[in-house]
Amino acid sequence: DGGITQSPKYLFRKEGQNVTLSCEQNLNHDAMYWYRQDPGQGLRLIYYSQIVNDFQKGDIAEGYSVSREKKESFPLTVTSAQKNPTAFYLCASSNIAGGSYNEQFFGPGTRLTVL
Amino acid sequence: SQQGEEDPQALSIQEGENATMNCSYKTSINNLQWYRQNSGRGLVHLILIRSNEREKHSGRLRVTLDTSKKSSSLLITASRAADTASYFCATDARGSNYKLTFGKGTLLTVNP
Repeated sequence: DGGITQSPKYLFRKEGQNVTLSCEQNLNHDAMYWYRQDPGQGLRLIYYSQIVNDFQKGDIAEGYSVSREKKESFPLTVTSAQKNPTAFYLCASSNIAGGSYNEQFFGPGTRLTVL
Repeated sequence: SQQGEEDPQALSIQEGENATMNCSYKTSINNLQWYRQNSGRGLVHLILIRSNEREKHSGRLRVTLDTSKKSSSLLITASRAADTASYFCATDARGSNYKLTFGKGTLLTVNP
């Protein structure tokens, strides 16, 4: 099956700890994105990457870090510097080559709770 | 920054009725997309309308785009209980470098 997987589905973290959320895609998409969603809110862009070994900050990058060492993988680290990390995190990918229109495909999400 | 804003924030209808959701945005766009999210799940792409299109259909979905008013509407006809979800518009703004900006969504409840 083609698609995007995120793990884990639920994650609990103590204050002061870093935690890494996994995102893998087998759609051969160039671009990958991380969003944060708070209750009753839309999605806010954290980081995005259009090519391996390159990524850009989104609207709310502070307290987060990413890497893009492989085309299919785009892990997100929530650091202890993120003041309010409890949220639902969504990963997405899209094919931005060849005149495509940036339809994004989403993973099932990871719900992070800081205790 | 919030580009798209959906209206209403919540909508409750009976099965079989039509549901209309609106989206307003602020800057020029390449395209506008609508997504659906079931509670606690990822988003699913529904339909994309390009800036030079005025109307598009997909099954029971009808999307219109008015670039002069910077607004779009999503119509779901003959709604079903399974249509209960949140619906988001997302804009691909010109010069955005392939980023999408999402609105806060409309929560649609279809009562059986």
